[in-house]
Amino acid sequence: EAEVAQSPRYKITEKSQAVAFWCDPISGHATLYWYRQILGQGPELLVQFQDESVVDDSQLPKDRFSAERLKGVDSTLKIQPAELGDSAMYLCASSDRRANYGYTFGSGTRLTVV
Amino acid sequence: KQEVTQIPAALSVPEGENLVLNCSFTDSAIYNLQWFRQDPGKGLTSLLLIQSSQREQTSGRLNASLDKSSGRSTLYIAASQPGDSATYLCAVSPTGNQFYFGTGTSLTVIP
Repeated sequence: EAEVAQSPRYKITEKSQAVAFWCDPISGHATLYWYRQILGQGPELLVQFQDESVVDDSQLPKDRFSAERLKGVDSTLKIQPAELGDSAMYLCASSDRRANYGYTFGSGTRLTVV
Repeated sequence: KQEVTQIPAALSVPEGENLVLNCSFTDSAIYNLQWFRQDPGKGLTSLLLIQSSQREQTSGRLNASLDKSSGRSTLYIAASQPGDSATYLCAVSPTGNQFYFGTGTSLTVIP
């Protein structure tokens, strides 16, 4: 079964350092999402891509977060500088009309900022 | 903005019991609804996707129903097993794009 690949699985970084997460969606899926999930809460959208274009980044803290999907395939989410409050699970999902726009998630990246 | 609520927040049942998890949403104009399972420290695994034109979906021991007019969905788990212990998340998509998530129900099945 096709999967969404994410790396790294875990990341520990010091406050004020830069950190980056990578996501490779299911092949052919045009839409890619980055979500953030704080422990005990539901995931919340950070950014949505359609191919290489940003569709919605209204919840992305743009002073420190950036996201790109240069060739419309894989994507990178970056935080610089990291703050203690950024500790969370970062989840990537992809969807496509052939799957009736249901989400397939990757395994996530657990970020701890110390 | 779509608000999604899941009750109860936590549930503990003995093995073999049938159970129902509840999800409610504020705006009945939805495109689809999806149930997920999340094990501790892991990503989300899709269980069932219900499109707005459907009333229910079934997969093995799982059955999800959708009542758009009342803004509710239920996930029925038959003959629960210890391996079913996880957090179950409900998510609603108004347009086929962004999903809005509830905070989940943490299920523990006691052997």
